[in-house]
Amino acid sequence: SQTIHQWPATLVQPVGSPLSLECTVEGTSNPNLYWYRQAAGRGLQLLFYSVGIGQISSEVPQNLSASRPQDRQFILSSKKLLLSDSGFYLCAWSVRVRAGQPQHFGDGTRLSIL
Amino acid sequence: DAKTTQPPSMDCAEGRAANLPCNHSTISGNEYVYWYRQIHSQGPQYIIHGLKNNETNEMASLIITEDRKSSTLILPHATLRDTAVYYCIVTSTGNQFYFGTGTSLTVIP
Repeated sequence: SQTIHQWPATLVQPVGSPLSLECTVEGTSNPNLYWYRQAAGRGLQLLFYSVGIGQISSEVPQNLSASRPQDRQFILSSKKLLLSDSGFYLCAWSVRVRAGQPQHFGDGTRLSIL
Repeated sequence: DAKTTQPPSMDCAEGRAANLPCNHSTISGNEYVYWYRQIHSQGPQYIIHGLKNNETNEMASLIITEDRKSSTLILPHATLRDTAVYYCIVTSTGNQFYFGTGTSLTVIP
């Protein structure tokens, strides 16, 4: 069966520090991969999605970037964190190409910026 | 993608069926209806999805009206562990899952 791993589960970072969140998927090949952010009391906001290695689409211009160095690895990064980057970050995967496929989410990383 | 409208909150007695409505009057022919739920501090959990026909799995049933402009998620015997925020999403591409604020369901003992 397929599983998705995100780490760390929680993270406290000072303003201006760099960020690297990692997500890996097991049990499937060529997945679509996604990064979402959820601010407190708000819905989920799609940040990035990827349909293949090195292919990244950005949904919202911001202080963050994403990379996909391997088929089942998706990384969310920032060179300098802002207070507004605080939130709950979620990685998700879906079967590529086929219509009507649900996205499956990891357990998320709760990021607090001080 | 079509916009969805859900009530902000609902209560349900434990053991009873929970019926969560969703309006998607602008849905187009190739758009699917997906339901997810999110328990506090966890990632969203996929529940069920459908295109035209009603669907049932081990978690829930999805009833889609004939004109596809609305749907209902049914949890047949709600338990306290079903207390969560439930999201209805309508999309065709699979790349664009727009989560709104959903319906906060509270199951009451």
